[in-house]
Amino acid sequence: AQTVTQSQPEMSVQEAETVTLSCTYDTSENNYYLFWYKQPPSRQMILVIRQEAYKQQNATENRFSVNFQKAAKSFSLKISDSQLGDTAMYFCACQGIQGAQKLVFGQGTRLTINP
Amino acid sequence: DTAVSQTPKYLVTQMGNDKSIKCEQNLGHDTMYWYKQDSKKFLKIMFSYNNKELIINETVPNRFSPKSPDKAHLNLHINSLELGDSAVYFCASSQDRTWDTEAFFGQGTRLTVV
Repeated sequence: AQTVTQSQPEMSVQEAETVTLSCTYDTSENNYYLFWYKQPPSRQMILVIRQEAYKQQNATENRFSVNFQKAAKSFSLKISDSQLGDTAMYFCACQGIQGAQKLVFGQGTRLTINP
Repeated sequence: DTAVSQTPKYLVTQMGNDKSIKCEQNLGHDTMYWYKQDSKKFLKIMFSYNNKELIINETVPNRFSPKSPDKAHLNLHINSLELGDSAVYFCASSQDRTWDTEAFFGQGTRLTVV
């Protein structure tokens, strides 16, 4: 079983700044996946970035990167050069590999990018 | 071409009614899911089907009954709707392989029970 915790309900930064969203998780599995999903006001769930737990190298997708600390069970998302279009709810999620696969989500962080 | 499509996008209905939400995916995925997002935006798995077989049922009331006629479709039928059923329901699909496990979501169905 997995649990995911996002301790920042809301964050707000100015356009072009860098922002880091926090996520901690707990799982009994040795191998698993971690994800960040973005949900803009359109309601669509969009995958931002994915990390396989067995990979030590932090995942990067353009302006989005993660800081994956496996021992600490921490998985933070860094958004560089933030843009107005980054305004959205951001969800951290964990998915085990063994048995039935399901995403376990954190509570979400509402990120606002101000002009 | 929408990868995962749900209908309807919005559904307003009275308490006690029975309603269905349909979901179809054209990605050739083996596994489909229903997730519920409550008023506080919390997302939680409800059901998962793999090749038409139920594999996850997360203590959802019996009034909710998923139906998978084939592996490209997973519909959600809800009987005797209650006010607390108001939420956004997301369908999703994924390929059930450990090296390719990204879930693709539909656009969600906002259900409002009045």
